[in-house]
Amino acid sequence: AQTVTQSQPEMSVQEAETVTLSCTYDTSESDYYLFWYKQPPSRQMILVIRQEAYKQQNATENRFSVNFQKAAKSFSLKISDSQLGDAAMYFCAYVQNAGNMLTFGGGTRLMVKP
Amino acid sequence: EPEVTQTPSHQVTQMGQEVILRCVPISNHLYFYWYRQILGQKVEFLVSFYNNEISEKSEIFDDQFSVERPDGSNFTLKIRSTKLEDSAMYFCASSTHRTSNQPQHFGDGTRLSIL
Repeated sequence: AQTVTQSQPEMSVQEAETVTLSCTYDTSESDYYLFWYKQPPSRQMILVIRQEAYKQQNATENRFSVNFQKAAKSFSLKISDSQLGDAAMYFCAYVQNAGNMLTFGGGTRLMVKP
Repeated sequence: EPEVTQTPSHQVTQMGQEVILRCVPISNHLYFYWYRQILGQKVEFLVSFYNNEISEKSEIFDDQFSVERPDGSNFTLKIRSTKLEDSAMYFCASSTHRTSNQPQHFGDGTRLSIL
């Protein structure tokens, strides 16, 4: 069975600084997708960024980028120029190719200090 | 931007009672999902639904649970004979295609409290 682990329950960052959230996963599959979702307080989960395992190039979305290390089964999220609105729970998630079931990590609560 | 909507936001039910959680997926989406998150634990997959039938379900989704798309717009999760351990946040999600091709869009969740 696939597992996703986020080892940092909480992180804090100063506004305008950069922060990296860690995620590791375990799977025997070679073809899969990885996601980072953001959940602001009392709000729905929103997709931040997505990575296809067959792509070597790391995905980027504006201030958000990932460091995907397939051999190490690591998928970290880097947030540059952190803003107050980035404060939220961040969930790393995995799905195997042609699958529907998202497997989530435990989440990291990110606090942004003004 | 279209959103997945869930009602109610908070449901309180006596143990042993049946509860129905409601979701309105995004209108052009074809795949529908339910997840739950027990307080302090991970978000867990329950079930996926496509073409009016269950396409995948987890071990959690036993005979106590059922899903239905009764009218082409709503997607419901029914929990029969609720137990204390069913207390959790329940999230509905939808997508246009399989998750590997298109991301799932989530609702705000329904907090279910079993007394």
